[in-house]
Amino acid sequence: GAVVSQHPSRVICKSGTSVKIECRSLDFQATTMFWYRQFPKQSLMLMATSNEGSKATYEQGVEKDKFLINHASLTLSTLTVTSAHPEDSSFYICSAPHQSTGNTIYFGEGSWLTVV
Amino acid sequence: AQSVTQLGSHVSVSEGALVLLRCNYSSSVPPYLFWYVQYPNQGLQLLLKYTSAATLVKGINGFEAEFKKSETSFHLTKPSAHMSDAAEYFCAVRRGSSNTGKLIFGQGTTLQVKP
Repeated sequence: GAVVSQHPSRVICKSGTSVKIECRSLDFQATTMFWYRQFPKQSLMLMATSNEGSKATYEQGVEKDKFLINHASLTLSTLTVTSAHPEDSSFYICSAPHQSTGNTIYFGEGSWLTVV
Repeated sequence: AQSVTQLGSHVSVSEGALVLLRCNYSSSVPPYLFWYVQYPNQGLQLLLKYTSAATLVKGINGFEAEFKKSETSFHLTKPSAHMSDAAEYFCAVRRGSSNTGKLIFGQGTTLQVKP
């Protein structure tokens, strides 16, 4: 079964609004989680590292004020896309290393965001 | 800096035929390498990983990969393709030290399995 879960799996929002995507580690604690973005038919690009108890670390070129990341607990990280635009439409995937399995990195099911 | 290159964005095989998906890596440190599979509109599932132990790594669903340092390769193989293997496959290398969970992905290879 899944060890990392995302919610919602699909979301449609209007331009200018904000939308939150949740990433949960199931049955294990994750002090760090990672957020990726994937455009159709393309590879995954790391957006940021979510750190429990501290600020997220963003990759070069990723707007931290637009993609707000909060690591609220050892099992939950949230990505909020603020003032969404159609070009933010994408597949967002999170991952978390599972220490009990040698830091095997597990991915969530992904969340499709469509901004209309 | 690390990177991976997947040769061939699209591979087509007949059911029952050998599957070979190519991945070459570049790394300034001993690499941790992974193969993931992605089915349409889904997240990534780990097939197998190389973490400097055995060079021949066996994964799920009959897949295996061999780490060849001399060729800087980590090709994925399966002796006999099944229709259910049709998916997108990503090779990835762990970025930085062994403790980081950041991955750098290849461009992906779409595997088509023909009946």
